[in-house]
Amino acid sequence: QKEVEQNSGPLSVPEGAIASLNCTYSDRGSQSFFWYRQYSGKSPELIMSIYSNGDKEDGRFTAQLNKASQYVSLLIRDSQPSDSATYLCAAHDYKLSFGAGTTVTVRA
Amino acid sequence: EAQVTQNPRYLITVTGKKLTVTCSQNMNHEYMSWYRQDPGLGLRQIYYSMNVEVTDKGDVPEGYKVSRKEKRNFPLILESPSPNQTSLYFCASSLSRAGDEQYFGPGTRLTVT
Repeated sequence: QKEVEQNSGPLSVPEGAIASLNCTYSDRGSQSFFWYRQYSGKSPELIMSIYSNGDKEDGRFTAQLNKASQYVSLLIRDSQPSDSATYLCAAHDYKLSFGAGTTVTVRA
Repeated sequence: EAQVTQNPRYLITVTGKKLTVTCSQNMNHEYMSWYRQDPGLGLRQIYYSMNVEVTDKGDVPEGYKVSRKEKRNFPLILESPSPNQTSLYFCASSLSRAGDEQYFGPGTRLTVT
């Protein structure tokens, strides 16, 4: 079993819609969780971090964490074509583990 | 400008020919690491370094070496590259630990024939 698993996608959403990305992790000791965005041919960049249960909002992005269910999600509201990218979920305990990523395409 | 640099960006080599990929950061970060990214497998950590002269294995260290003689530099060495090391490699740095925001270099695409 992979330590961090993401819905494989690809995920295609119309412009203006909500994109919902899911991630589960196996290590109950994980305390910090991250979402990185990676455009095609580029390096990952951090867009959200979340450390406690509940929701965290930053602009059009909302991260949700449920430690009891070992589940992290990312919502992208009002999706724009510039949001088309691969989104990587990562969980940190003593090390940082990444999921394989979910590719999102926002169609105009 | 705060950044992580890697060289070369692209490299095609043959099996067994030693190579080094350089990585340098100008943010005075203590923690540095190397990842490889393969389709369907995501980012997997090869080696990491908590500080100068302190390095440790990640999840996939076989066939790789690293050194950390200076805080800013963390080269990745492939002593005898094999085709299964064909991959996209990223160097990353963070302030003090793996749980801090990772700043990634631009990536090195390596092909071993």
